This record gives sequence, structure tokens and C-alpha cells, in this order.
Amino acid sequence: GAVVSQHPSRVICKSGTSVKIECRSLDFQATTMFWYRQFPKQSLMLMATSNEGSKATYEQGVEKDKFLINHASLTLSTLTVTSAHPEDSSFYICSASFISRAGASYEQYFGPGTRLTVT
Amino acid sequence: DAKTTQPTSMDCAEGRAANLPCNHSTISGNEYVYWYRQIHSQGPQYIIHGLKNNETNEMASLIITEDRKSSTLILPHATLRDTAVYYCIANTGGFKTIFGAGTRLFVKA
Repeated sequence: GAVVSQHPSRVICKSGTSVKIECRSLDFQATTMFWYRQFPKQSLMLMATSNEGSKATYEQGVEKDKFLINHASLTLSTLTVTSAHPEDSSFYICSASFISRAGASYEQYFGPGTRLTVT
Repeated sequence: DAKTTQPTSMDCAEGRAANLPCNHSTISGNEYVYWYRQIHSQGPQYIIHGLKNNETNEMASLIITEDRKSSTLILPHATLRDTAVYYCIANTGGFKTIFGAGTRLFVKA
């Protein structure tokens, strides 16, 4: 299957600082990228959807000024958590999607996740 | 996305087939059934998807009922590494994927 990478895999930062997480599709061009957040023992929660060159669409309850998403190319999206606080500590996962080579259906692949701890 | 219903958890003996059911009785004609799994502290992994016909790949088989209201994911020879949360999702594709609670599969030696 297609490969999606995330960097860093783990990050610890102090309260009030900003953290940038990168998401790359390594062997395909992604039409759309998604960002999820997952708290312990919970399912993934979609935060936002982004298309290359367009502004991200945020889910209800997600602060767009706090979670800045930049989708500069078809292979790279970044999530910046601004002025991070301990409650932002979570597992952040990106995914990238494309239409299959056969053109018959849509495929979506996920990154390995980034564990953010805010102290 | 059509709502899907899955059992909260299941057990399976190592080496045996694991059959994970999913109910999607309100699925529309253009919605696919996708299966993903998440091993602890990792990102979700795509397994398989289908529209009407049964599908098989190197990881699993997907059996979709004729009326498309339910499906079963089959892991033919479960191993301990298959212990994970399995998510069944129905959507049209090309759009956001919303995750439910999934089924926690425990493969036991």
C-alpha cells in the first residue's frame, strides 16, 4: 500500500509554545489530506480536511486559529498547534487520499501518528 | 456516511479464522464499505474495501451480503499481531472518514 509519513513521531513542548507536525505522502500525490486527534482509549476524531492550495475545512468545535493547517503541495501538509496547553496533549494522525489507479474508487492511507505532550 | 454497528470486542484463537461482522443497514448505493485497523499507538492501517462484490487481498477477505446491509471481514489465519481495533466504515470515498468505536479483536495463543 501507499506510504504516509509523519514527523516528528514524538514531541514534548512547554505550555505556550507552538509545535509543527509534518505529514507527507511518499509515493503518491494526495488529492486530500486529513488531520485527526486521538485521546487515550478513544477513537479517532476528525479535526480538519485540506486540499492542496485551498484553505482547510475544520470540523465543528475545532479552533482554526489554534490548529493551523497548511497544504502547500500534493505531498505535504503541516499542522501547527499554536500556544499549546496541556489539554492539547494527544496523538495526532494525518491521512492522505487519492483515486486508485484503476480510477474505480478512493483510497486513504494513514501516517504513523505524532504523540504530543505539553508540559 | 451511513452508520455502522460493530461488536465492541471479540476473541479469536491464534491460527483460526477471525470473522468480524459489521452492520450498515442504511448504506446507500454509492457508498463503499471500508475496513481499517489500528494497532496500539500506531496510525490506522487500510485493510480492504468493496462495493457489492466480495473482495480478497493478501490481508483479508470482505464478504458483503447481497442486500449490502451487512458485511464480514475475514482474517483467514489470525496471528497475535492481528490484535487491534478494527473499524468498518461506509462512505462514498473521496470524502472525510469518520471513525466509530470499532471492534477490539484479541487474538489469543
